[in-house]
Amino acid sequence: NAGVTQTPKFQVLKTGQSMTLQCAQDMNHNSMYWYRQDPGMGLRLIYYSASEGTTDKGEVPNGYNVSRLNKREFSLRLESAAPSQTSVYFCASIARAGSSYNEQFFGPGTRLTVL
Amino acid sequence: GQSLEQPSEVTAVEGAIVQMNCTYQTSGFYGLSWYQQHDGGAPTFLSYNALDGLEETGRFSSFLSRSDSYGYLLLQELQMKDSASYFCAVRGVTDNYGQNFVFGPGTRLSVLP
Repeated sequence: NAGVTQTPKFQVLKTGQSMTLQCAQDMNHNSMYWYRQDPGMGLRLIYYSASEGTTDKGEVPNGYNVSRLNKREFSLRLESAAPSQTSVYFCASIARAGSSYNEQFFGPGTRLTVL
Repeated sequence: GQSLEQPSEVTAVEGAIVQMNCTYQTSGFYGLSWYQQHDGGAPTFLSYNALDGLEETGRFSSFLSRSDSYGYLLLQELQMKDSASYFCAVRGVTDNYGQNFVFGPGTRLSVLP
């Protein structure tokens, strides 16, 4: 049981390049999330998917797109990276029911630098 | 708008008790969560309050007052390993399913020997 996994762990991009961050969970959770965390700050929600087939914008969606590929996987795409998108990106998931209903499980993060 | 406020830093000594506060102004509210994050690590869940009152889990307790839009996390018998950032998060801010979250800026706790 790996929990929430993210790839890659580190990435350096040049301005204007595109890339996709991958996230997968093996806990059969319905809801999945993408956050960004800038140095010394809290987490800001980019997009979330309350269930397979649905996605919704969070607090800071501009410059990003997401795909809920299936119940396990939720990817985040940067179409044209900008230096302002330099951050640590966390994926998370949560069950819609059960004993851990209120607990978000986080992946290890992807550290992205845009030059 | 919506906002959460937390003190930026707290310092305490080993063995002591520390309280970290969180106030929130949001359009919707399902509950208040607390997460711990060590430097370079991912956030990990500590507690969740949906109703007013105190929830206790070992050395950690969390309190919520919905009427005051206020909560706190209480850590007892502080240990050096408790040095970390602590974030409060409000659940269900803008959607109808209680599935989105807004995090506060976090309180950095330093535990001194």
